[in-house]
Amino acid sequence: QSVLTQPPSVSAAPGQKVTISCSGSSSNIGDHYVAWYRQVPGTAPKLLIYDNNKRPSGIPDRFSGSKSYTSGTLAITGLQTGDEADYYCASWDRGLSAALFGGGTKLTVL
Amino acid sequence: EVQLVESGGGLVQPGGSLRLSCTASGFTFSDFWMHWVRQVPGKSPVWVARIQDDDKSTNYADFVRGRFLISRDNTRNTLYLQMNSLTAEDTAVYYCARDFYYVVDYWGQGVQVTVSS
Repeated sequence: QSVLTQPPSVSAAPGQKVTISCSGSSSNIGDHYVAWYRQVPGTAPKLLIYDNNKRPSGIPDRFSGSKSYTSGTLAITGLQTGDEADYYCASWDRGLSAALFGGGTKLTVL
Repeated sequence: EVQLVESGGGLVQPGGSLRLSCTASGFTFSDFWMHWVRQVPGKSPVWVARIQDDDKSTNYADFVRGRFLISRDNTRNTLYLQMNSLTAEDTAVYYCARDFYYVVDYWGQGVQVTVSS
């Protein structure tokens, strides 16, 4: 069971918006930045969001992140079938001195 | 272009040892902390260890502390993970990854480690 809690799955229609939550605690998300990754099965994860809400070069602005206290949220607008993948949040835990990943959320674009 | 290429994986018997390597290119390796992360297919990634850019500090996940050793050779742009006392629960794809504000940005393609008799 992951310390960072995500919903197992979310779904929405093409063109719609979806949000994925990531719940942590005061020792991780409450104390540090949240990052988000996208992973297609059989490939390595790819960074989508860092520092709660920043996008690396090449990531479209359809992807956005936010953080409030001990929770982070990834929002994806203008959903495309190509967005179907597994999405993971991550943060550093001060108490554990360890990086943590969420349990993952499978996005289905109906 | 940042590239991380892992090697050294394979099949090992329970109780055995394996050393993974990760060769980095496309960035100044000695400027970055580095991580190892593992993942069982269908499960979420699990952080294993990280090492400071100048090799002076390391952190480990509780489940590998005392069994795994992360190290690096900045002259060879190479990261290592020495894995000892392996069990079936260590079976996973192991990724080398570059640090980015305590989490990771770039990942290697991964290398399979299978612990089985």
